[in-house]
Amino acid sequence: GQQLNQSPQSMFIQEGEDVSMNCTSSSIFNTWLWYKQDPGEGPVLLIALYKAGELTSNGRLTAQFGITRKDSFLNISASIPSDVGIYFCAGRDNTNAGKSTFGDGTTLTVKP
Amino acid sequence: EPEVTQTPSHQVTQMGQEVILRCVPISNHLYFYWYRQILGQKVEFLVSFYNNEISEKSEIFDDQFSVERPDGSNFTLKIRSTKLEDSAMYFCASSELGNQPQHFGDGTRLSIL
Repeated sequence: GQQLNQSPQSMFIQEGEDVSMNCTSSSIFNTWLWYKQDPGEGPVLLIALYKAGELTSNGRLTAQFGITRKDSFLNISASIPSDVGIYFCAGRDNTNAGKSTFGDGTTLTVKP
Repeated sequence: EPEVTQTPSHQVTQMGQEVILRCVPISNHLYFYWYRQILGQKVEFLVSFYNNEISEKSEIFDDQFSVERPDGSNFTLKIRSTKLEDSAMYFCASSELGNQPQHFGDGTRLSIL
């Protein structure tokens, strides 16, 4: 089946620093999604990307859909303590009735 | 903002017992999903459901699993004879259309003893 490689697995940063994480896939996706999960809660959608090359921002978050359609990155600028959590990428292709394939997640720790 | 709601938040069940996890998707959404997340691992797709039938299911979704939309608002996941390895967070999600982002509930933590 489809697999996503998400990196890094974890990050420990100082408040105010920028963060970058990415996902790569062996197969093409038509949609890339980035979610954040806080402990004991479900994933919350941050950004959805629908077109190769698309660059989308949501506040301090910026994500891009890679030109090859096999990768995506998420940047967080000027991190704050509430950015702590697990960030998941997810890819979808149109052949599978909306099924999302998730990466392994990046655990972000922000030190004040 | 409308949200997906799941009940119960935590379910403890003896191995071999049947369990039903309940979800109320967002009201104008047409596609429904169940995902599973074993502690410390990634979110894994189980099944998608549209127009009162299963659209796709993963290899995890074997004969012990079933889904149902018993009325206009609820979407349920039944596990017929639970095993220890079924212990996980189970997330329900819904989307307005098949190509729209899925919105997740806060999950049901299933603990099999």
